[in-house]
Amino acid sequence: GESVGLHLPTLSVQEGDNSIINCAYSNSASDYFIWYKQESGKGPQFIIDIRSNMDKRQGQRVTVLLNKTVKHLSLQIAATQPGDSAVYFCAESGGAQKLVFGQGTRLTINP
Amino acid sequence: DAGVIQSPRHEVTEMGQEVTLRCKPISGHNSLFWYRQTMMRGLELLIYFNNNVPIDDSGMPEDRFSAKMPNASFSTLKIQPSEPRDSAVYFCASSLAQKDTQYFGPGTRLTVL
Repeated sequence: GESVGLHLPTLSVQEGDNSIINCAYSNSASDYFIWYKQESGKGPQFIIDIRSNMDKRQGQRVTVLLNKTVKHLSLQIAATQPGDSAVYFCAESGGAQKLVFGQGTRLTINP
Repeated sequence: DAGVIQSPRHEVTEMGQEVTLRCKPISGHNSLFWYRQTMMRGLELLIYFNNNVPIDDSGMPEDRFSAKMPNASFSTLKIQPSEPRDSAVYFCASSLAQKDTQYFGPGTRLTVL
């Protein structure tokens, strides 16, 4: 069935280091993937997206990598800052289907 | 752009009372989604609309929950009667189309005593 899951529920990194958050998906028909960031007390915010015809996309300090062979998605955050502390969700959709969200990974930045 | 607007931001009520949550989607967006978020269950899709028509309400917990979208700029989620287990943060999101990027509102934190 369709499912989106995260390998690690929590991730703790040192300020200034790079962070990598992983996500596995099972629906091979998925062709659109999104990463969201949710800070405490706020709604999820769009970070970056990628379509299945790409394997990499870069934004400001963030990079999303897509490996369709193993159905794996990752979010890389460069030079993490205290403001990056949040829960990160991956989401997928395929065909005409709505987005399906994963469980989320909590990222904690240590000073 | 004001983004998705939700009201109230916080609601505290007693068990058995009716609760109505409101949402104004981003202008021009054709799809609207209602989610519930709890520590135990994470982010759950309750129902979504395309062009004001409910498409999938399979996530609605039970008959106590109902949602309407009378026009393209307004939706409500109603719980009647409310129960303590309904306590959660309820998010509304909108998107251009149902598989596109969803933009979330700030949420309504509901506490049922």
